[in-house]
Amino acid sequence: AQSVTQLDSHVSVSEGTPVLLRCNYSSSYSPSLFWYVQHPNKGLQLLLKYTSAATLVKGINGFEAEFKKSETSFHLTKPSAHMSDAAEYFCVVTPSSNTGKLIFGQGTTLQVKP
Amino acid sequence: DVKVTQSSRYLVKRTGEKVFLECVQDMDHENMFWYRQDPGLGLRLIYFSYDVKMKEKGDIPEGYSVSREKKERFSLILESASTSQTSMYLCASSFPHGTVVEQYFGPGTRLTVT
Repeated sequence: AQSVTQLDSHVSVSEGTPVLLRCNYSSSYSPSLFWYVQHPNKGLQLLLKYTSAATLVKGINGFEAEFKKSETSFHLTKPSAHMSDAAEYFCVVTPSSNTGKLIFGQGTTLQVKP
Repeated sequence: DVKVTQSSRYLVKRTGEKVFLECVQDMDHENMFWYRQDPGLGLRLIYFSYDVKMKEKGDIPEGYSVSREKKERFSLILESASTSQTSMYLCASSFPHGTVVEQYFGPGTRLTVT
C-alpha cells in the first residue's frame, strides 16, 4: 500500500535562511507526488508536482523538490525563507489504484522567525 | 481559475442535529471529494464521487453520508452530529485520473459541535 511520511511535524527557521521539509513515501510503482501549502484559515494550494519527468521539480514562490527514487524521498526546499512562507505543508502521493484519490502526509508546520 | 466554494466558513451545531455542508465547483470536474482535517492527522478522506449520483466511501465514512445530484455540487451530511465530528472539513475537485491528478480545494468549513 502507498503511504507518505513527513518526518517533522514542526520546522522553525529564520527569515532569509534555507528551508527543508522532509517527506518519504512508500510505493510499489512510480508514483505521482505533490506538495500542497495551507496558509492559516485558507484552503490547500498546489505548490508543485512530480509526474515522472524531471526529478527536480520547481514550484511556485521559489520552492522546489527533488524526487529520489533510491531514497524514496521527495523533500521540499527553498533557498531563502520569507515571513509569508509560514504555513502548513503537506506531502501527497497518488495510490496505485489510480482512482484520483490522494494520500496525505500528516503535515509540517513551518514557522519563520524575523 | 478553478473555483471551489463551500457554503460556510464557520458553523456551530448542537449534538444530534442534522448538518449539511455544501460544495460547488465551476470547472466541470468529474471527481469531487470530502475530507476532514485534524491536527497531526493530515487530511482524511470521508467520501468521494466520480460522477453524478455516484459515491464511494473513503477512509472514515462512519457517521457521514453524501449527495451528488448535479455535477457541480457535492454535499456532505452529518445525520446526527456528535462532538467527535468537530473538525475542519475540506472539499476538493479534480478531472478524472490521468497522468497527474491534482485536486483543487475549497477554503474549508470549520464545524464545531457542542
